[in-house]
Amino acid sequence: GDSVTQMEGPVTLSEEAFLTINCTYTATGYPSLFWYVQYPGEGLQLLLKATKADDKGSNKGFEATYRKETTSFHLEKGSVQVSDSAVYFCALSGNNNAGNMLTFGGGTRLMVKP
Amino acid sequence: SQTIHQWPATLVQPVGSPLSLECTVEGTSNPNLYWYRQAAGRGLQLLFYSVGIGQISSEVPQNLSASRPQDRQFILSSKKLLLSDSGFYLCALRGSGVTEAFFGQGTRLTVV
Repeated sequence: GDSVTQMEGPVTLSEEAFLTINCTYTATGYPSLFWYVQYPGEGLQLLLKATKADDKGSNKGFEATYRKETTSFHLEKGSVQVSDSAVYFCALSGNNNAGNMLTFGGGTRLMVKP
Repeated sequence: SQTIHQWPATLVQPVGSPLSLECTVEGTSNPNLYWYRQAAGRGLQLLFYSVGIGQISSEVPQNLSASRPQDRQFILSSKKLLLSDSGFYLCALRGSGVTEAFFGQGTRLTVV
């Protein structure tokens, strides 16, 4: 079945540091890929998405490129801020499930220190 | 635009008591609806999904049940709560022809 693996956290960075959170996936066909962000005590918000190979999703300074050859969708940001502290989830939407459900990775907690 | 309403935001219930969490959606028709649970410091566990009124699929056998009495209403229930039912419960929807899912703000349940 479909699966998503992302790096375990927590990831602790200083403000203005470069961020990479790795995400790799296993799926049949051509899934869509997503990054969601969860701020403390809140639900998940869609951060960015990519629906086909080589697409780059971007939002709020975050970027991720759909790499089919390496089955990866790594999240990057050039200069993090304290307000980016949150839990980040990588997810995919496969083509072979009855409920069209998303498959999520385990989440990566990011802590940015001033 | 699509919106999801979940309530209550927080809930403290004694062991053995019943549970009813409600989720209603707006701005879409015949969406797929989902209940997820997130234990403290953990990832998301899909509990139930529904592709239409009265249609419920369970992903994990447990102490909980779900119902969809109306197209835009999804209810999570339990007859007798266990300590292990504590967690953060999230309702999500996925509209027709839309690739991503949208989430509600969640209900934090503490069973004491």
